Amino acid sequence: EAQVTQNPRYLITVTGKKLTVTCSQNMNHEYMSWYRQDPGLGLRQIYYSMNVEVTDKGDVPEGYKVSRKEKRNFPLILESPSPNQTSLYFCASRRYRASNEQFFGPGTRLTVL
Amino acid sequence: DQQVKQNSPSLSVQEGRISILNCDYTNSMFDYFLWYKKYPAEGPTFLISISSIKDKNEDGRFTVFLNKSAKHLSLHIVPSQPGDSAVYFCAASEGGSQGNLIFGKGTKLSVKP
Repeated sequence: EAQVTQNPRYLITVTGKKLTVTCSQNMNHEYMSWYRQDPGLGLRQIYYSMNVEVTDKGDVPEGYKVSRKEKRNFPLILESPSPNQTSLYFCASRRYRASNEQFFGPGTRLTVL
Repeated sequence: DQQVKQNSPSLSVQEGRISILNCDYTNSMFDYFLWYKKYPAEGPTFLISISSIKDKNEDGRFTVFLNKSAKHLSLHIVPSQPGDSAVYFCAASEGGSQGNLIFGKGTKLSVKP
């Protein structure tokens, strides 16, 4: 089954404790991205990657890092989480940057205390 | 400043009637528009798209209309079904389908039996 998976689905952590949210897709997609969804703000792009070792900032990259060492994986790293990063995070992938359809993962609800 | 605006946070419609979800945008460089549907506890799923060279695109019960002069697009669902109850996100990009997607805040549609 074609899918985008994220782990963990739910995470409660404390300020300053480094964490990583993993994202994996099994569709051999080149393009992957991370979004956060906040009430009243919709989906905002954090980072994206057009291929292995190619990443770039989205609209709200501050406080986040990503890496793309393999095509299937695109982890999101919060080196020193803060309460304003409490949010619902979605990973997404599409075949190429020019592809029509983007597939989203199920989401990771992060709470930073 | 929101470049993609969905001014109605919610909409309630009777089963069998038409649902009309609206979206406005401010960036005249946007030339590709999409609608995504999101159920609770799931990631958004692609619904339908339209490029700026068209003013209408139809897929079954779903039709998207684009009015470039008004910088406005709408999604029509006819007839509406209870299973259509979800949050609908409008998204736009520039550079055709190659651009990064900018999402609106979403509109929660409730279809009542």
